Amino acid sequence: EDQVTQSPEALRLQEGESSSLNCSYTVSGLRGLFWYRQDPGKGPEFLFTLYSAGEEKEKERLKATLTKKESFLHITAPKPEDSATYLCAVQDPPGNTGKLIFGQGTTLQVKP
Amino acid sequence: DTAVSQTPKYLVTQMGNDKSIKCEQNLGHDTMYWYKQDSKKFLKIMFSYNNKELIINETVPNRFSPKSPDKAHLNLHINSLELGDSAVYFCASSQEGSNYGYTFGSGTRLTVV
Repeated sequence: EDQVTQSPEALRLQEGESSSLNCSYTVSGLRGLFWYRQDPGKGPEFLFTLYSAGEEKEKERLKATLTKKESFLHITAPKPEDSATYLCAVQDPPGNTGKLIFGQGTTLQVKP
Repeated sequence: DTAVSQTPKYLVTQMGNDKSIKCEQNLGHDTMYWYKQDSKKFLKIMFSYNNKELIINETVPNRFSPKSPDKAHLNLHINSLELGDSAVYFCASSQEGSNYGYTFGSGTRLTVV
């Protein structure tokens, strides 16, 4: 069965203190791995899609990378406005329903 | 211009009542979803419709019934509400071949008392 596990569950950083969030997955055929950001009281907001091992994507202070078993979301010199829950998801293999299977999220708090 | 809109945003109701949540998307996407997010922020799929046809029906009590009158709308009706139904329900939409995954609504927080 497809599974996504994120770690740590919660992360507290000082402003400017870089770190990484981990997303481990087991899936029979990866169609895509997605990163979302969720702010309190809001729906998840799309950040990145990664399709194959070795792929990297960047947006401002965030960089997502992908291997055959896991993905990392690197946060460089974070600011308080980066505080949010970060969700990782894998998409059902090709030929299946296309549903996204989510991990439980990492809640990031960045203190000034 | 909201892409995926859900109503209501908050819903407080008593056990045993029947309630509905509505969702509309103006993105022209052909697939819509209902996800449930529990108190630990875990998002789990409930249903999916593609062009008004039900394609995903996960293990959900049959008190939950989705309805898609057209491909821009997906509603969720819940009968005989129970305390354990309290959660945040998210509607989402997607387009096959898109690199952007899902577009989510802002959620409906359902509290059953």
